[in-house]
Amino acid sequence: DIVMTQSPDSLAVSLGERATINCKSSQSVLYSSNNKNYLAWYQQKPGQPPKLLIYWASTRESGVPDRFSGSGSGTDFTLTISSLQAEDVAVYYCQQYYSTSLMYTFGQGTKLEIK
Amino acid sequence: QVQLVQSGAEVKKPGSSVKVSCKASGGTFSSYTISWVRQAPGQGLEWMGRIIPILGIANYAQKFQGRVTITADKSTSTAYMELSSLRSEDTAVYYCVYSSGSMTHFDYWGQGTLVTVSS
Repeated sequence: DIVMTQSPDSLAVSLGERATINCKSSQSVLYSSNNKNYLAWYQQKPGQPPKLLIYWASTRESGVPDRFSGSGSGTDFTLTISSLQAEDVAVYYCQQYYSTSLMYTFGQGTKLEIK
Repeated sequence: QVQLVQSGAEVKKPGSSVKVSCKASGGTFSSYTISWVRQAPGQGLEWMGRIIPILGIANYAQKFQGRVTITADKSTSTAYMELSSLRSEDTAVYYCVYSSGSMTHFDYWGQGTLVTVSS
């Protein structure tokens, strides 16, 4: 099974500052057939289901503020919030899709707080 | 805009089974996939399995093989997740999730159903 490891487990950032969350996959999630990385990012606020932010590593979901961006390829990925807002306090998860086995795996989550 | 409405909270005894439903509206339900993802209290997200309703084909995470069954009724746009041989560790919020197009990520989430397993 593919293992997704996020770092750090928790993060405190000042309002208006940049927040960076990393996600590492135990196997490449880049598919040469279409040159897409099957890596997504979600935001989960307390008492709510997760919300899709980014898919294919860097494609922002419709309606997601442009301060959220995703980067990386292969096994190493990053979610960046360029200027932290109070409403960004949440737990963030990365997720991969392995098309060979038709399986999905999540990272363990990163808790983002205001410093 | 796809909406997923799940059935209500359940309390079950160890060793019993639970069946959670998920009714979809607003999308092309039969062409996409419905997955089930669970979240134990204070823990992360865990994918359990998925079904492609138009084909009626399901696949499951190895951890749940033999204990989970995911089905779908195209006529009512409703998916079901049944988990058997329940134990206390199965206490969690269970989400149904809709994946469109590429099926590589989860576009829409249900509100979640809390299943509590307790004697």
